Amino acid sequence: QSVLTQTPSASGTPGQRVTISCSGSSSNSGRNYVYWYQQFPGMAPKLLIYRNNQRPSGVPDRFSGSKSGTSASLAISGLRVEDEADYYCAAWDDSLSGWVFGGGTKLTVL
Amino acid sequence: QVQLVQSGAEVKKPGASVKVSCKASGYTYTSYGISWVRQAPGQGLEWMGWISAYNGDTKYAQKFQGRVTMTTDTSTNTAYMELRSLTSDDTAIYYCARDTGDPGTYYIGYWGQGTLVTVSS
Repeated sequence: QSVLTQTPSASGTPGQRVTISCSGSSSNSGRNYVYWYQQFPGMAPKLLIYRNNQRPSGVPDRFSGSKSGTSASLAISGLRVEDEADYYCAAWDDSLSGWVFGGGTKLTVL
Repeated sequence: QVQLVQSGAEVKKPGASVKVSCKASGYTYTSYGISWVRQAPGQGLEWMGWISAYNGDTKYAQKFQGRVTMTTDTSTNTAYMELRSLTSDDTAIYYCARDTGDPGTYYIGYWGQGTLVTVSS
């Protein structure tokens, strides 16, 4: 049972816009930044979004993040086949004094 | 460029210990802390703890308190994670991951390639 809640799966067709949600509580996403990581099968995770809505250099602007209250979202516009991956949200939890992750969302591009 | 190169796969028997290494390069080692995150087969990411590469201060997730030890060697720019009393539930890929960002607002920015630890009798 993950501290942050994500829907297990999402899907879309090429060119579509999809949104992946992440829900937490006042001790984590409610008061701290949310981060998003992308993971391809057999590979290590990669930072996709930091501080709710910032993109590291090299991450296409098709990826965007937002946060409102204790919920955060990752949006992918102009969906591509190569976006098919697992996506994880993360936040620091003040009560646990540690990083917590969502259970991950498997994105399928049909 | 930042690189974190981890040690190779391990197979351990229940009750044994495992020690995974993470050799850093491409930056000033003592400037950033390192977290350890594991991922059981087909499961999500689980943070195990963090160590300061500067002074060795540690912070462990409660779940692993008493069973994990994280250390760092500044002479070789290498971080280590030792997990004891292994059970089959510890079968997972173990990642080291480096902080990035500004002091006071660090976050996990770079990941090692992962080390598969299999616990089996």
